Amino acid sequence: QKEVEQDPGPLSVPEGAIVSLNCTYSNSAFQYFMWYRQYSRKGPELLMYTYSSGNKEDGRFTAQVDKSSKYISLFIRDSQPSDSATYLCAMSVQSASKIIFGSGTRLSIRP
Amino acid sequence: EPEVTQTPSHQVTQMGQEVILRCVPISNHLYFYWYRQILGQKVEFLVSFYNNEISEKSEIFDDQFSVERPDGSNFTLKIRSTKLEDSAMYFCASRDRGLGNQPQHFGDGTRLSIL
Repeated sequence: QKEVEQDPGPLSVPEGAIVSLNCTYSNSAFQYFMWYRQYSRKGPELLMYTYSSGNKEDGRFTAQVDKSSKYISLFIRDSQPSDSATYLCAMSVQSASKIIFGSGTRLSIRP
Repeated sequence: EPEVTQTPSHQVTQMGQEVILRCVPISNHLYFYWYRQILGQKVEFLVSFYNNEISEKSEIFDDQFSVERPDGSNFTLKIRSTKLEDSAMYFCASRDRGLGNQPQHFGDGTRLSIL
């Protein structure tokens, strides 16, 4: 079983739609959960950073972590064409320790 | 906003040659990392560095690889004798000193092409 699993997509939705991105994981020791956005030929850009279970909201983005199910989600409201990118879920055991990434979901927002 | 900067953006090297990838982490950050991403694959951890020593390394980070913080601002990754399979994007990341919840911030990477 892979440590972090993420549907690679691609996912294509119309502008203004709500986008739901998800990851599952197998290592119950993970405590820190992240979502990064990656544009073509660029580095991962941090979007959301959460500790343990619960929800976190930042503007149009909401991150959810359910440690009991080993499942994390990212919701994007009022999606824009500029949101078109690859979204990487990521997690770590401790704040300073190595990050384990998902394979990334390629998202396209149609104008 | 402070950012991690990496040079060069693209490096082309002959197989067997040594290559040094350079990174300038965010000022006052104390934790440093290298990751790589082979085309079409996941971002993979290589090594973490804190207090002038390696704190963790992956199986990928074998004797061909080394890291160094030669001065107060640079962090380098050296590959001693490059192989074709070393072709990848290499990302540097840094993290603040805080004991609390501090994320890692990534640079835009160096694309390494081994011929």
